[in-house]
Amino acid sequence: DTGVSQNPRHKITKRGQNVTFRCDPISEHNRLYWYRQTLGQGPEFLTYFQNEAQLEKSRLLSDRFSAERPKGSFSTLEIQRTEQGDSAMYLCASSFTGANYGYTFGSGTRLTVV
Amino acid sequence: AQKITQTQPGMFVQEKEAVTLDCTYDTSDPSYGLFWYKQPSSGEMIFLIYQGSYDQQNATEGRYSLNFQKARKSANLVISASQLGDSAMYFCAMRERYSGGGADGLTFGKGTHLIIQP
Repeated sequence: DTGVSQNPRHKITKRGQNVTFRCDPISEHNRLYWYRQTLGQGPEFLTYFQNEAQLEKSRLLSDRFSAERPKGSFSTLEIQRTEQGDSAMYLCASSFTGANYGYTFGSGTRLTVV
Repeated sequence: AQKITQTQPGMFVQEKEAVTLDCTYDTSDPSYGLFWYKQPSSGEMIFLIYQGSYDQQNATEGRYSLNFQKARKSANLVISASQLGDSAMYFCAMRERYSGGGADGLTFGKGTHLIIQP
């Protein structure tokens, strides 16, 4: 287990289509985070899971967004009826509870909505 | 108000010189952590260094050190002997106990684009 894996790396979709991204965290990590990063900005928190429970969602996460983490392992982030404003890099990170060093990020999924 | 402020959008530095990347933060939480991440063009966020609010000494990790000035709410990253491979975006981030960014979630600054010139 070498790190956090995200698939796909790139996704181009037409406006109005649904897309789903996957994140496979480091297996021993119990926390999983989703962040969104737009061009020229730092990542912004979207939501996080502790094991399989989704404990918090940002107000950035509209009702078109849904995230799941079945069985506390991999996670999926789905965006329904995509809009051009959804174009961004979607980053996943995992950590141990309370870890100071354990935020390991994946390489991200770059979404382009045309 | 911005929780993390990075005032340098971009910096050009000669190879082998030391470079300081500025970061100021705003929090009323007495317990917090400060992080620096490097993001090369590939997109992955690479952890560089961590400083806890109660740590007495400045953190160091190889060529990276964090100049932590708590009273000034400043956490500058110092890279000694810069290398061409240091060219990347650098983000300062903070974890607060009650941030609302998800327990242990991070709040990031806008980043500094560092370019090392030969």
